[in-house]
Amino acid sequence: DGGITQSPKYLFRKEGQNVTLSCEQNLNHDAMYWYRQDPGQGLRLIYYSQIVNDFQKGDIAEGYSVSREKKESFPLTVTSAQKNPTAFYLCASRPTGGPSNTGELFFGEGSRLTVL
Amino acid sequence: SQQGEEDPQALSIQEGENATMNCSYKTSINNLQWYRQNSGRGLVHLILIRSNEREKHSGRLRVTLDTSKKSSSLLITASRAADTASYFCALTHPIIQGAQKLVFGQGTRLTINP
Repeated sequence: DGGITQSPKYLFRKEGQNVTLSCEQNLNHDAMYWYRQDPGQGLRLIYYSQIVNDFQKGDIAEGYSVSREKKESFPLTVTSAQKNPTAFYLCASRPTGGPSNTGELFFGEGSRLTVL
Repeated sequence: SQQGEEDPQALSIQEGENATMNCSYKTSINNLQWYRQNSGRGLVHLILIRSNEREKHSGRLRVTLDTSKKSSSLLITASRAADTASYFCALTHPIIQGAQKLVFGQGTRLTINP
């Protein structure tokens, strides 16, 4: 089945460690996004990518890094520079251009990161 | 702010009643979308309404958009316990710097009591 797969679902990290969250999609979507969600809050955009080998900072990019070497993959690294990394991280994708571009985002099931 | 603001923040009703959630915004939009999120899960797209549309239906969902008041409402009719979730409005603003971003509100937490 087509969809977006995030892994791991749960992750614990010690302070000072970098961690990488995986996001893979087989929907053939061009655009991919990373959002952060804190308890009882909405989603805030971390990074997004419209095309392979290109990405832009969102509203809260400090302390995070991404890469987009393949169309299917958009991993997010939470670095030790992120002051408060404990949160729920959501990856999403969307087709761009053409009749399939409805603007709808397709989400993964999320990764919950806890810093100990 | 570019994001929408949902109202109420939380809503609790009895099964079978209708649930109405509102979303207000401040800047011009291309379209407005509603998403649903079950606890601890990803978001699921429910419905999209374009800026030149006034009302759309999808099953038990009805969405309205009033661009003069910069507001939208989501109505869920004949609610069921399975409708318990958080509901988010998301705005697409005119393209800036070649990119189209979706900006999410804070959400309405809906609880349907059996």
